[in-house]
Amino acid sequence: DAKTTQPNSMESNEEEPVHLPCNHSTISGTDYIHWYRQLPSQGPEYVIHGLTSNVNNRMASLAIAEDRKSSTLILHRATLRDAAVYYCILWAFYTGGFKTIFGAGTRLFVKA
Amino acid sequence: GAVVSQHPSWVICKSGTSVKIECRSLDFQATTMFWYRQFPKQSLMLMATSNEGSKATYEQGVEKDKFLINHASLTLSTLTVTSAHPEDSSFYICSAVLGTEQFFGPGTRLTVL
Repeated sequence: DAKTTQPNSMESNEEEPVHLPCNHSTISGTDYIHWYRQLPSQGPEYVIHGLTSNVNNRMASLAIAEDRKSSTLILHRATLRDAAVYYCILWAFYTGGFKTIFGAGTRLFVKA
Repeated sequence: GAVVSQHPSWVICKSGTSVKIECRSLDFQATTMFWYRQFPKQSLMLMATSNEGSKATYEQGVEKDKFLINHASLTLSTLTVTSAHPEDSSFYICSAVLGTEQFFGPGTRLTVL
């Protein structure tokens, strides 16, 4: 199964940018890179996804390395509400379908 | 955005009983849904892939006779935990796929006494 590796935790100050890294060295050519975040006792919330090119949306930016073996989620101005566990996952395609496997995630702490 | 609901949001049951959890895509049709379980302070663990009109595909180590999955329509998948035991207590989360996006339900907390 395609795996991702993320730091266990990161800390940021409010109003500052945050760069959350993810390694996925076993990624296949058709695997999408997805980012979700989860608050306690809630389901994961979609943040952003991409395949090869960098992506921007209202929540964040996703920078994908040229070899696609790593990516970085960028929160441009962290707020207290951004404190959550961030998961980088791969959509791994196989014959007959695909599946998504979660890694351990990064717990982001935001200081006021 | 697309919405996925789960029912119930929490359930407490006695050991040996069966519990059914529903996952619905409210404003879209989903050929594929996933079921995950999550223990405290741990990541989500994929249990099975549910495809409408066909048998679910279970991950290694997940007992298909204990965790029955039915995806009878394009908007509903159900997970039944049969003969539940305290070790089955967990947070169960479903997700539904729309295009290249995956939308998650709010989760169901199961407590088996």
